[in-house]
Amino acid sequence: GENVEQHPSTLSVQEGDSAVIKCTYSDSASNYFPWYKQELGKRPQLIIDIRSNVGEKKDQRIAVTLNKTAKHFSLHITETQPEDSAVYFCAASRGKIIFGKGTRLHILP
Amino acid sequence: NAGVTQTPKFQVLKTGQSMTLQCAQDMNHNSMYWYRQDPGMGLRLIYYSASEGTTDKGEVPNGYNVSRLNKREFSLRLESAAPSQTSVYFCASREWNSPLHFGNGTRLTVT
Repeated sequence: GENVEQHPSTLSVQEGDSAVIKCTYSDSASNYFPWYKQELGKRPQLIIDIRSNVGEKKDQRIAVTLNKTAKHFSLHITETQPEDSAVYFCAASRGKIIFGKGTRLHILP
Repeated sequence: NAGVTQTPKFQVLKTGQSMTLQCAQDMNHNSMYWYRQDPGMGLRLIYYSASEGTTDKGEVPNGYNVSRLNKREFSLRLESAAPSQTSVYFCASREWNSPLHFGNGTRLTVT
């Protein structure tokens, strides 16, 4: 079945710098790749997603890139702000959705 | 519009007790999912239902059963709870190739 690896597990960046989180997946048939943000004690919330027919998608300070050949995709957050501090999860899907183990992002003042 | 509603919010069980976690969605989604979340382990899929009348195992199905009662409702049952099932449980729903919508979670402790 699908396996999703996510790195790093923890990431600290200075406020205003960029953050990059990387994921790889194993099932070449996966065709939908969402990213979720989870704040402490709350449910995961979608921040951006990409489908397999697209290589890149951007929404304000957030962008996701997908390399189907290499089976990896990445989340890029630019101009980081304190409210970006949270746990971020990538996922891959071709029906059921399998998540990576998460990245705890700390934005340092 | 409530989205995905889970009950209860909190539950404490003794080892060997049984219980059912309830989930209902009002978005007319075909697919529903149950995940568990443990520290450092991310969200692990227990069971999912691609459409009414079907259910499939996920990554960690042992010790659980599910029922897709109708299009709106998808319940998760623990027949004989174990301490290893202490976790936060999330129900979610979606349409095909669209985002998951999560409920607020059930925090379960098994002593």
